[in-house]
Amino acid sequence: DADVTQTPRNRITKTGKRIMLECSQTKGHDRMYWYRQDPGLGLRLIYYSFDVKDINKGEISDGYSVSRQAQAKFSLSLESAIPNQTALYFCATSDIAGSSYNEQFFGPGTRLTVL
Amino acid sequence: AQKVTQAQTEISVVEKEDVTLDCVYETRDTTYYLFWYKQPPSGELVFLIRRNSFDEQNEISGRYSWNFQKSTSSFNFTITASQVVDSAVYFCALSDLGGANNLFFGTGTRLTVIP
Repeated sequence: DADVTQTPRNRITKTGKRIMLECSQTKGHDRMYWYRQDPGLGLRLIYYSFDVKDINKGEISDGYSVSRQAQAKFSLSLESAIPNQTALYFCATSDIAGSSYNEQFFGPGTRLTVL
Repeated sequence: AQKVTQAQTEISVVEKEDVTLDCVYETRDTTYYLFWYKQPPSGELVFLIRRNSFDEQNEISGRYSWNFQKSTSSFNFTITASQVVDSAVYFCALSDLGGANNLFFGTGTRLTVIP
């Protein structure tokens, strides 16, 4: 089973709709991240969380909100989706110690299309 | 501020040729990590390598090798005897070692290996 899972994998929605993307991990990591990928722009950080009580804005947080329901779950919400939020969204986790310190582990991505 | 530049947007090579993907970074930190990720057509992000700023040794892993030069702030990636399966988008990324450990991605290089 995958360590970092994202649901849904694909979603088509309409402008103005509220949508939630979910991320779950079984790696036991405290840190979780949400990125979006646009063609030619690489990945950009939306929000990140160090633990359940610690949420931080990233480079492009406007139009998004997040919820860290538990150590293993980190959800990204688009309160009122707009077409320029059409992108590939990635969730990632990282550890604060150990041999994989500072490495981020990515989910498979969610392809979101806003019509 | 952290910045990663991948000046090569797209590269095409014929199978079995060697190819080097360039990565230049900017950071004020003296301690940092550099990464390479591969994104095949299926869309997931595959971790290739992590290198910390204290370790300038080059690394070789099969047909892959990495050349880290702090003097020129570069972390270049070479694929030897390229194969069609190497066709993908490759991202270079930089992580600070401050509180966030956030990843700053380059815009990626799309490599196409022609049979």
